Amino acid sequence: AQSVTQPDIHITVSEGASLELRCNYSYGATPYLFWYVQSPGQGLQLLLKYFSGDTLVQGIKGFEAEFKRSQSSFNLRKPSVHWSDAAEYFCAVGARGGGFKTIFGAGTRLFVKA
Amino acid sequence: SQTIHQWPATLVQPVGSPLSLECTVEGTSNPNLYWYRQAAGRGLQLLFYSVGIGQISSEVPQNLSASRPQDRQFILSSKKLLLSDSGFYLCARSPSGRANEQYFGPGTRLTVT
Repeated sequence: AQSVTQPDIHITVSEGASLELRCNYSYGATPYLFWYVQSPGQGLQLLLKYFSGDTLVQGIKGFEAEFKRSQSSFNLRKPSVHWSDAAEYFCAVGARGGGFKTIFGAGTRLFVKA
Repeated sequence: SQTIHQWPATLVQPVGSPLSLECTVEGTSNPNLYWYRQAAGRGLQLLFYSVGIGQISSEVPQNLSASRPQDRQFILSSKKLLLSDSGFYLCARSPSGRANEQYFGPGTRLTVT
């Protein structure tokens, strides 16, 4: 069965420091992969997506993610965190070749300290 | 631009009362539409999805129902709310044929008292 694991429930980083949020998935083939961000009380915003091709994908707000097939991972990174990045981040996987379900991880809450 | 509206933004309802949450989509035709629930501090639970007018798939058996009376309208309903129905309800869409790239509305905060 498809599943998504985000091992860190919450992470605290200092403003200006680098960030890496972990995501591992379980799927029978290479899925579509996504990262979303949710600010408190708001809907989710798509940060970036991987469908195929270059395994390093760039997204909005200076985020990037790297797909590593051998590790079944799709970690999100940002070289320098801003206070406005404090939010909850969700990794998600979707099925190729049809199907309408996207499986979301439980989320990682990011706190940014001054 | 493609926009998702959800109404109302916030709702407080007593146990046993009915519910109707509305989601409308602008700027796209024949989208796939989804209802998710997000309980406090937890991830997203897919409740329903629809690939067209009158076509509803239920993911979790419960006292909620969904309807799609028009191409760009998706409604979440209940005849009698339970305390456990409290949560943040999100409507999402994906382009027809690209089911997994989802875009979300602003959400409705439901508190059942």
